[in-house]
Amino acid sequence: DTGVSQDPRHKITKRGQNVTFRCDPISEHNRLYWYRQTLGQGPEFLTYFQNEAQLEKSRLLSDRFSAERPKGSFSTLEIQRTEQGDSAMYLCASSSTGTGTRETQYFGPGTRLLVL
Amino acid sequence: GQQLNQSPQSMFIQEGEDVSMNCTSSSIFNTWLWYKQDPGEGPVLLIALYKAGELTSNGRLTAQFGITRKDSFLNISASIPSDVGIYFCAGKTWAGGTSYGKLTFGQGTILTVHP
Repeated sequence: DTGVSQDPRHKITKRGQNVTFRCDPISEHNRLYWYRQTLGQGPEFLTYFQNEAQLEKSRLLSDRFSAERPKGSFSTLEIQRTEQGDSAMYLCASSSTGTGTRETQYFGPGTRLLVL
Repeated sequence: GQQLNQSPQSMFIQEGEDVSMNCTSSSIFNTWLWYKQDPGEGPVLLIALYKAGELTSNGRLTAQFGITRKDSFLNISASIPSDVGIYFCAGKTWAGGTSYGKLTFGQGTILTVHP
């Protein structure tokens, strides 16, 4: 069990550029979540997948944001035409529904995005 | 977005002291979780609570799931310098055996421990 991994750990970009982040969940975890965390706040839910299916999207996920999990394993989160307000830590988490009501999410180290 | 009300916002304590923090919500949750986050890292799970009234310990940490299902608290006994960090509560709902995925987080409690 290698834990949830995210790449890159840090990204600096200029306003208007596109960025893509990758998340590799704990192996055999069928659920994968994306959260965003700004300074001084708790993480806020963006979206989640069960296997390949995107089951829920937050209102925070504007049309500039798109997430995919094409083969039910790793996931990518793309932000198009970045804005300074997109600067945040983007966190990925995974879980297994095999534990039923005791499903627990385990987080990766995050990708810190700075939009100049 | 909706967040849980977590208090206190910050705590400055001496090494060896006990710490208590709590989380309240206007909504019922079926699962309460407590995470710790170090600067620049993702949250690490400390304790998970799945039943109203449940009291669970993990070493020097003890957490309880409130009987109304609208609150939870975390206690840390005999604090040590490595307890420094930000502690978050998080709640999740489910119904009929189906888990609704997203977690709702509190604003965090910043803990500073003076040696």
